[in-house]
Amino acid sequence: NAGVTQTPKFQVLKTGQSMTLQCAQDMNHEYMSWYRQDPGMGLRLIHYSVGAGITDQGEVPNGYNVSRSTTEDFPLRLLSAAPSQTSVYFCASSLQGEGYGYTFGSGTRLTVV
Amino acid sequence: EDQVTQSPEALRLQEGESSSLNCSYTVSGLRGLFWYRQDPGKGPEFLFTLYSAGEEKEKERLKATLTKKESFLHITAPKPEDSATYLCAVQGGTASKLTFGTGTRLQVTL
Repeated sequence: NAGVTQTPKFQVLKTGQSMTLQCAQDMNHEYMSWYRQDPGMGLRLIHYSVGAGITDQGEVPNGYNVSRSTTEDFPLRLLSAAPSQTSVYFCASSLQGEGYGYTFGSGTRLTVV
Repeated sequence: EDQVTQSPEALRLQEGESSSLNCSYTVSGLRGLFWYRQDPGKGPEFLFTLYSAGEEKEKERLKATLTKKESFLHITAPKPEDSATYLCAVQGGTASKLTFGTGTRLQVTL
């Protein structure tokens, strides 16, 4: 089925470990974004991309890296995990961005101990 | 800086009891205001986009309206399956960014 696929669904990391959260979409969407969702704070933008080879920082980029080598994939890398990065991470994509509803993945629940 | 405030934080309704959720916003150049539904353990599901003051959109028991400062999500004769968290977001000067509110958690009981 068409949509946004995120893997893994759950992950536990130790402080200082690195990992990559995967995101793939099969809708040929240009715009892709990563958000984190924390209780009482709403969804906050980490990084976004408006096309292959183009990325930019969002509201809370520190500690995260992204790259966009293809239209379909937009991985999020945690360089050295910290307990403050415990959160639920959502990837989203949109056809053009302006005024179009973003399609969200089902999320990755990350715990850093 | 774009800001979105949603109220109430939580709302409990009986089946059939209509109500409204509020989304107040400040944004530099509104490109779109979005409503999403989020079920526990899942990602947000797109409901509506509103572009300009006076616009209204409907979907089943839900109706979204927009003014220059706020949006309302009206729920008419809700059913238990309408229970979810409803999120409001705005898209301002940068088309690739959404600013979200913290949501209203709706519970509809029999």
